[in-house]
Amino acid sequence: EVQLVQSGAEVKKPGESLKISCKGSGYTFTNYWIGWVRQMPGKGLEWIGIIYPDDSDTRFNPSFEGQVTFSADKSINTAYLQWSGLQASDTAVYYCGRHVTGNTIDYWGQGSLVTVSP
Amino acid sequence: DIQMTQSPSSLSASVGDTVTITCRASQGVSHYLAWFQQKPGKAPKSLIYGTSSLQSGVPSRFSGSGSGTGFTLTITSLQPEDFGTYYCQQYNAYPYTFGQGTNLEIK
Repeated sequence: EVQLVQSGAEVKKPGESLKISCKGSGYTFTNYWIGWVRQMPGKGLEWIGIIYPDDSDTRFNPSFEGQVTFSADKSINTAYLQWSGLQASDTAVYYCGRHVTGNTIDYWGQGSLVTVSP
Repeated sequence: DIQMTQSPSSLSASVGDTVTITCRASQGVSHYLAWFQQKPGKAPKSLIYGTSSLQSGVPSRFSGSGSGTGFTLTITSLQPEDFGTYYCQQYNAYPYTFGQGTNLEIK
């Protein structure tokens, strides 16, 4: 069974750094892209970008480029989304999802709530 | 970026009804169009990819059609569990973009 399990909720202060994770199981992790999607409170879905865990190739939405970083550790089937200096506007639920090459997300993680507050 | 516009923004329908949600792209996306369902407080669920192909396990009452810039999601014989917000997404060109969502309420 394909599963993506994300790390838990985080509460951070502005300016702090954060790394959230997405662990895949039930499939060959290095054969699929991992995508990240933001959902701000009460709002719709926004595509942040994707990473290919086998070689860490990435594609970013220009709106997020420079604001976040993707990484992956294929030895433990885990992808990461990272901030070096959080802002209140980063408060959102972040979802990871498995992307078939040339396709879109078929399986989703449960989401990680990130709250940034003074 | 390709803009995706859904209509209506919300709708209310009864069990057994047929509902249609429309998604329009600001430029052609070929058949690279997906639909997702999201319930409150839950992760989205993938329903359809490639305009009309059902993801594994999705009931056959869901169907998709269209091409280029105009697409539809149709739900026939609406069930109580079909409430939620539906999103379309194009994945023809980066950045992939979602529609603003359509909130479906069951009367």
